[in-house]
Amino acid sequence: AQSVAQPEDQVNVAEGNPLTVKCTYSVSGNPYLFWYVQYPNRGLQFLLKYITGDNLVKGSYGFEAEFNKSQTSFHLKKPSALVSDSALYFCAVRDMAGANNLFFGTGTRLTVIP
Amino acid sequence: DAGITQSPRYKITETGRQVTLMCHQTWSHSYMFWYRQDLGHGLRLIYYSAAADITDKGEVPDGYVVSRSKTENFPLTLESATRSQTSVYFCASSPSGGPYEQYFGPGTRLTVT
Repeated sequence: AQSVAQPEDQVNVAEGNPLTVKCTYSVSGNPYLFWYVQYPNRGLQFLLKYITGDNLVKGSYGFEAEFNKSQTSFHLKKPSALVSDSALYFCAVRDMAGANNLFFGTGTRLTVIP
Repeated sequence: DAGITQSPRYKITETGRQVTLMCHQTWSHSYMFWYRQDLGHGLRLIYYSAAADITDKGEVPDGYVVSRSKTENFPLTLESATRSQTSVYFCASSPSGGPYEQYFGPGTRLTVT
C-alpha cells in the first residue's frame, strides 16, 4: 500500500528565515515523489519531483527537496521564505511499479510572517 | 490555450439530484484524473483514465460515474447526490503515467443541500 504523511498541519516561519515542510512516505517499491502548492481558490501547482539520481531536487520559486531513502522522507525546503510563499503544500507519492495514480498527504499550511 | 478547465466552478444542488462536472484539457494528455479535496483528507482519487474509453476506479469511487469518449473530455457524474459528496472536485491530466507530474484544473466547489 502507498501512503504519505505530512506530520504538521501548520508551519509558521518568519520572512527571510529558512523553511522546511516535512513529508514521509510508504511504498512497496521505489517511489516517484512530488510536491505541489495550492493558493486560495486555485488548483494545485507542481513544484518539483524526484524520479531518480541526485537526492537534492530543485524546483520552482527557489524551492528544493531532499530525498532520503533510509528515512523514507522527502522534505521541502527553501533557504529564505517570502510572504508570498504562504499557501497549502501537498506531498504526493507514486510507486514506480504500481498504478499511475498519486497518493497525496493531507497538506501543510505554510504561513510566512512579515 | 486554456490548458485544463472545469465547469461549473460553483454548484449547489439538492440531495438525490444528478449532477455532472465537466473537465476539458487542450494538451491531448493521455491520462486524466478526478480528485476530491476534503479537510483532513487531502486529495483522494475518485477515478482515472489512461486513454479514451479506458477508466479505472480510485480510492473513493462509490456514488460516481465517469466516461471518456474523447481524449480531451472527462466528465464526472454524481448519479444521486448526497450531502457527503459536498466537496471541492479537481480534475487533472498528465501526458503519461510513471514519473510525469499532473496538471490540475481550478476546481469545482460542489454543495449538496
